[in-house]
Amino acid sequence: GENVEQHPSTLSVQEGDSAVIKCTYSDSASNYFPWYKQELGKGPQLIIDIRSNVGEKKDQRIAVTLNKTAKHFSLHITETQPEDSAVYFCAASRAGGSYIPTFGRGTSLIVHP
Amino acid sequence: NAGVTQTPKFRVLKTGQSMTLLCAQDMNHEYMYWYRQDPGMGLRLIHYSVGEGTTAKGEVPDGYNVSRLKKQNFLLGLESAAPSQTSVYFCASSWTTKNTEAFFGQGTRLTVV
Repeated sequence: GENVEQHPSTLSVQEGDSAVIKCTYSDSASNYFPWYKQELGKGPQLIIDIRSNVGEKKDQRIAVTLNKTAKHFSLHITETQPEDSAVYFCAASRAGGSYIPTFGRGTSLIVHP
Repeated sequence: NAGVTQTPKFRVLKTGQSMTLLCAQDMNHEYMYWYRQDPGMGLRLIHYSVGEGTTAKGEVPDGYNVSRLKKQNFLLGLESAAPSQTSVYFCASSWTTKNTEAFFGQGTRLTVV
């Protein structure tokens, strides 16, 4: 089955700095890579996703990059703000099967004002 | 549009007691999932369903049972609760025709004493 590794487990930055979270996956057939943000006391919510036919995708201050050859993808947050503080999860899944996503263990991002 | 609703939000059980967690979605999604979230372990899949009347085991199914009698509902049962089942439980749902995001409920915090 798919295995997703996520690093770091904790990331502390100053407001205005950039933050990068990295994930690797094992199944070369995986083709959908979403990122979820979980705020305290809430369920995870999709913030951005990327499919295997795209190398990079941006949405305002967040971007995701995908390297299919190396089987890794990353979340980039620029100009971090205190409200970006949350737990972030990466996931991977593949078409043709049961579409069940496999999640990384999460990164706790802390943005200090 | 309520999305994914979990009932209850909090529960305390004594060891050996049983209970059922209810998940309801109003988006006509085919796929539904139950995850547990523990510190440092991320989201681990307990059971999932790819349609009404079908269920399958995930990564950590022992001690849990599920049923999907109606498309909009996915029930998670604990027959004899153990302290190791103290966790936050999340239900999620998604479409089946292509890889798309999973929508999560707000979670159920379960404590087994």
